[in-house]
Amino acid sequence: QVQLVESGGGVVQPGGSLRLSCAASGFTFSSYGMHWVRQAPGKGLEWVATVRYVGGVDYYAQSVKGRFTISRDNDNNELYLQMNSLRADDTAVYFCARGQFFDYWGRGTLVTVTS
Amino acid sequence: DIQMTQSPSSLSASVGDRVTLTCRASQGINNYLAWYQQKPGKGPELLIYAASTLQSGVPSRFSGSGSGTDFTLTISSLQPEDVATYYCQKYNSAPFTFGPGTKVDIK
Repeated sequence: QVQLVESGGGVVQPGGSLRLSCAASGFTFSSYGMHWVRQAPGKGLEWVATVRYVGGVDYYAQSVKGRFTISRDNDNNELYLQMNSLRADDTAVYFCARGQFFDYWGRGTLVTVTS
Repeated sequence: DIQMTQSPSSLSASVGDRVTLTCRASQGINNYLAWYQQKPGKGPELLIYAASTLQSGVPSRFSGSGSGTDFTLTISSLQPEDVATYYCQKYNSAPFTFGPGTKVDIK
């Protein structure tokens, strides 16, 4: 069955960096675009970034453009989100999701940015 | 960028009631609209894509309709397990914006 498992969250100071990972299994990872979506405490869902399945084409929300980088390793079925210059308003649970319709989601990993 | 709005922001209904949630896009998105259900402490789950196509495994009491700018999600007979927040999302092109959500609970 399809599984997505996020890791790498934690507590970081403003201006710091963190790298999130999403381990995928149960499907042909290289055939799907992949996404990061976040949810601040008590708030709604916010799309963060997308990487296409081929060509490495990527897209970013304006709120993270220039600070976050999405990437993937199709050999090891891993999705990544490199987060630099972190701010307090980046505090959220970060989910990875699969495909055009975001049809499978992980359980998320919590990132807390605080001094 | 296209903005997504949802109404109402919350609703309370009785078990067995028919419930209708609305989502509106600020510009036309054809039928590139998905609906998700999120229960407390869990990741979202896809209910409907292409505005009206039921995701495999989703109960048939859920249905979606609409095209262009106006969309609806209907629960034909509300069940206790349907207590959740429901989000719509456009996926025709980036940014893949979500609506602010509608929280549904039982009266």
